[in-house]
Amino acid sequence: DVVMTQSPLSLPVTLGQPASISCRSSQSLVYSDGNIYLNWFQQRPGQSPRRLIYKVSNRDSGAPDRFSGSGSGTDFTLKISRVEAEDVGIYYCMQGTDWPPTFGGGTKVEIK
Amino acid sequence: QVQLQQSGPGLVKPSQTLSLTCAISGDSVSSNIASWNWIRQSPSRGLEWLGRTFYISKWYNDYAVSVKSRITINPDTSRNQFSLQLNSVTPEDTAVYYCARELARGVDVWGQGTTVTVSS
Repeated sequence: DVVMTQSPLSLPVTLGQPASISCRSSQSLVYSDGNIYLNWFQQRPGQSPRRLIYKVSNRDSGAPDRFSGSGSGTDFTLKISRVEAEDVGIYYCMQGTDWPPTFGGGTKVEIK
Repeated sequence: QVQLQQSGPGLVKPSQTLSLTCAISGDSVSSNIASWNWIRQSPSRGLEWLGRTFYISKWYNDYAVSVKSRITINPDTSRNQFSLQLNSVTPEDTAVYYCARELARGVDVWGQGTTVTVSS
């Protein structure tokens, strides 16, 4: 199975400041159709995960535009341009390129 | 919009069978572009995909190797839902269980989650 490694584990941020989360896969996530099926999820306390980004950089409907995704091959990044209080939670990357789908261990975003 | 509503018991005894159901609204379990998945989350194992069912001219299932001998996922077209059965549970199966829709190699809709505790 593809191993997804996230860093950091914990990310204390100041309100209004940017934040960045890294996700690395154990093998290339380029699928045979040329797409990269890398997703980012936000999980607020007590809630189900909610997808923010699909195929590396496409924002889901309803995801705020302060969230952006980038990357290629095996290295990917989720950025929050200006952190707001409602962004507190755990963020996960997930690959859908190789079967079975696998998730990163999560990055906990908290306010300083 | 697509919604998934989970139901089932929150407490299961060791060696017994865990059974959960996921009712779909806004889509069809027989969709030929989606699959219907079960995923669990625990502090020790994180988010772990368990398996899926999907329909492309006939029904298919895929299961995670870690639970393959114990798991069954079944569609119910008459009620537009799908179910999870996990046999011979142990305390290690204690987790929050989610049903979810997979579309184009991404999980885009999640159920509300069911906390299942395996304990006598």
